[in-house]
Amino acid sequence: AQKITQTQPGMFVQEKEAVTLDCTYDTSDQSYGLFWYKQPSSGEMIFLIYQGSYDEQNATEGRYSLNFQKARKSANLVISASQLGDSAMYFCAMRGYSGAGSYQLTFGKGTKLSVIP
Amino acid sequence: DSGVTQTPKHLITATGQRVTLRCSPRSGDLSVYWYQQSLDQGLQFLIQYYNGEERAKGNILERFSAQQFPDLHSELNLSSLELGDSALYFCASSPHVPGMNTEAFFGQGTRLTVV
Repeated sequence: AQKITQTQPGMFVQEKEAVTLDCTYDTSDQSYGLFWYKQPSSGEMIFLIYQGSYDEQNATEGRYSLNFQKARKSANLVISASQLGDSAMYFCAMRGYSGAGSYQLTFGKGTKLSVIP
Repeated sequence: DSGVTQTPKHLITATGQRVTLRCSPRSGDLSVYWYQQSLDQGLQFLIQYYNGEERAKGNILERFSAQQFPDLHSELNLSSLELGDSALYFCASSPHVPGMNTEAFFGQGTRLTVV
């Protein structure tokens, strides 16, 4: 079974500062994918960034980077130069093989980020 | 805009009733997933369809069912509704049988309120 743990229910960050959102995962699979999604108050789920378990370099997408530490089973999201629009819920998710040709996304419980002006 | 369309956006209904939620995946995407997001359970996977066939089941109640039609749109049917079924229901789609490097694109969700 796959499990995602996000230990920070809520975080505050000053505008223009960097912030790290923690994510640890548990899986016995060798091949898996790690994702981060953003959910603003409007409710939609927005894909931010992806890291494959065999990728040697940390993924980056604009102001988002994923700090992947495979031995520690952690996949922290780093947001640089925070903006007010970054205030939202952030979900870490993992895709792994769940049998019968199916790959499921398992989500953590999320971290609510608030950016302070 | 993810390209995944869910209707309706909001739904209010009484206990014991039945509702149908609709999802149109991104053009060309063959896989459709349904998720339920409630305050106490977080995002829970319900069911997956690939090209019209059920591919995987998660924590889906027997009162719930889904199908994917030949035009690839999907419907989630919720019956004998209870107060605890109030939640945000998401549909997501992926291009094909997904491998590890395929993100799921989410619709905006249907917020169901059972009164």
